[in-house]
Amino acid sequence: SQWGEENLQALSIQEGEDVTMNCSYKTYTTVVHWYRQDSGRGPALIILIRSNEREKRSGRLRATLDTSSQSSSLSITAAQCEDTAVYFCATGGTNTGKLTFGDGTVLTVKP
Amino acid sequence: NAGVIQTPRHKVTGKGQEATLWCEPISGHSAVFWYRQTIVQGLEFLTYFRNQAPIDDSGMPKERFSAQMPNQSHSTLKIQSTQPQDSAVYLCASSPRTGGLSAETLYFGSGTRLTVL
Repeated sequence: SQWGEENLQALSIQEGEDVTMNCSYKTYTTVVHWYRQDSGRGPALIILIRSNEREKRSGRLRATLDTSSQSSSLSITAAQCEDTAVYFCATGGTNTGKLTFGDGTVLTVKP
Repeated sequence: NAGVIQTPRHKVTGKGQEATLWCEPISGHSAVFWYRQTIVQGLEFLTYFRNQAPIDDSGMPKERFSAQMPNQSHSTLKIQSTQPQDSAVYLCASSPRTGGLSAETLYFGSGTRLTVL
């Protein structure tokens, strides 16, 4: 597997809290994608961070990338109930079209 | 734009029967991908096409699975002699172009849930 030893993880938080999800990868990459998947739907891209960006923000989302440790994180500030979903990180090898997905984090935000 | 359309949404087959899954990519997208999703294995890459040509089928089980893209508006994934272990959600995705491949965004359909009894 491209990924570290993480299996599918689950996090449960209260509305308004901040949360951070982590993933690590083994194969060299220049881009890390973060997707979210709502129940009954396919994954959808929420943020993408490149190797020349240590941090990327989009609304309440913040992604970081540390190429030296081959790890990335996704943080959500002031989580809302509608943030409940499964979150995946994914990488694509240089010059390949396919993305390899991590195991994902099931995030539940309770009111 | 209706997004990537997959049909059927649910399919139930008996062991040994054939299953054909359909995907209509977003118009104008040049790449089409197939993934399989299970709780145990997560999201697994199966195969992809670029401009209708098969590019990488490294994730496809060598027997019983085949994928085609006869025209730019649809792709099919066929599973012959289905087995219970084939039960999964099969996801199709399309991508607008293939330059700068590692940064391509995949647009997924809602998937076909295949149940093999």
